[in-house]
Amino acid sequence: GAVVSQHPSRVICKSGTSVKIECRSLDFQATTMFWYRQFPKQSLMLMATSNEGSKATYEQGVEKDKFLINHASLTLSTLTVTSAHPEDSSFYICSASWTSANTGELFFGEGSRLTVL
Amino acid sequence: QKEVEQNSGPLSVPEGAIASLNCTYSDRGSQSFFWYRQYSGKSPELIMFIYSNGDKEDGRFTAQLNKASQYVSLLIRDSQPSDSATYLCAVRLNFNKFYFGSGTKLNVKP
Repeated sequence: GAVVSQHPSRVICKSGTSVKIECRSLDFQATTMFWYRQFPKQSLMLMATSNEGSKATYEQGVEKDKFLINHASLTLSTLTVTSAHPEDSSFYICSASWTSANTGELFFGEGSRLTVL
Repeated sequence: QKEVEQNSGPLSVPEGAIASLNCTYSDRGSQSFFWYRQYSGKSPELIMFIYSNGDKEDGRFTAQLNKASQYVSLLIRDSQPSDSATYLCAVRLNFNKFYFGSGTKLNVKP
């Protein structure tokens, strides 16, 4: 299947700092990528849809000024958690679909575990 | 009402038995349906997808879709301890909308 790579896999930072997570589609062009967050023992929660060359579409309740998403190219989307706080500690996962057809599946990156001290 | 509902489990089955995982969805406009497996601390990996009513088999896995009842299921035959994981049901509503259930935790006991 298609490959989506995410980096870093783990990051620990101090409260108040910003953290950038990268998501790359390695063998296909992804006009749209999706960012999810998952707290322990909970399901995936869609944070935002990242569109190449345009602004991201955020889900209700997700602060766009706190979670900055940039989709600068067809193979790279970044999520920056600004002024991170302990409550932002979570597992962040990006994903992409290789096709715009409604039947295409999502391929997930390896995930990034953020711990804010 | 959640878009996708799953029983959180845990579902415990003995090794070699059939595990049956169920999922219901709310939007009749949903286009396609997916089952993902997620091991603890890892990201989800795709097991199967199904678009049309009926059954779809792939090895030990069979996905079943009933659009009239808005119901999707996954059967795992000859369950193995390595199948122990959380299984996520996902529904694609349109190009930009994927919804995930909360997942069912499966324990396969040796």
